[in-house]
Amino acid sequence: SQTIHQWPATLVQPVGSPLSLECTVEGTSNPNLYWYRQAAGRGLQLLFYSVGIGQISSEVPQNLSASRPQDRQFILSSKKLLLSDSGFYLCAWSGQGYQPQHFGDGTRLSIL
Amino acid sequence: AQSVTQLGSHVSVSEGALVLLRCNYSSSVPPYLFWYVQYPNQGLQLLLKYTSAATLVKGINGFEAEFKKSETSFHLTKPSAHMSDAAEYFCAVSDRGSSNTGKLIFGQGTTLQVKP
Repeated sequence: SQTIHQWPATLVQPVGSPLSLECTVEGTSNPNLYWYRQAAGRGLQLLFYSVGIGQISSEVPQNLSASRPQDRQFILSSKKLLLSDSGFYLCAWSGQGYQPQHFGDGTRLSIL
Repeated sequence: AQSVTQLGSHVSVSEGALVLLRCNYSSSVPPYLFWYVQYPNQGLQLLLKYTSAATLVKGINGFEAEFKKSETSFHLTKPSAHMSDAAEYFCAVSDRGSSNTGKLIFGQGTTLQVKP
């Protein structure tokens, strides 16, 4: 069966520090991968998606970037965190076609 | 562009009462539709999906949803609420033309409160 791992579960970072969140998927190949942010009391905002290694599409301009160095690895990064980057970050994967997305357990990021 | 509207950001029911969470979509072609549940500080879990087979879809935890093309709706129901159903619920539709990206369009979510 397929599983998705996302870490860390919680992270507290100072403003201006770098960020690296990692997500890996097991049990499938060539998944579509996604990064979402969920601000407190708000819905899901799609940040990035990827349909293959090295292929990254950005949905909104922001202080973050994403990379996909391997087929089942998706990384969310920032060089300098802003207060507005606080939130709950979710990684997800889907198969090809009109398939549901499957989510990781999320990372709670707090910026001080 | 496609969109999803969840009517009611907060719904409160008593334990044992009917749960009805509303979702309307806009699409010029039959969509694929999904309901997800999110418990506090967790990721989203797929409850059920509609993929143009039966219009009444049964999911996990006793939930079901009915696709009504004439009403462009996909409401989520459960006959009898349990305390453990208290969570955030999201309706989502596949972005047409997104078969190679798998992108979904999510509603804003409905918080379900279950009172004892």
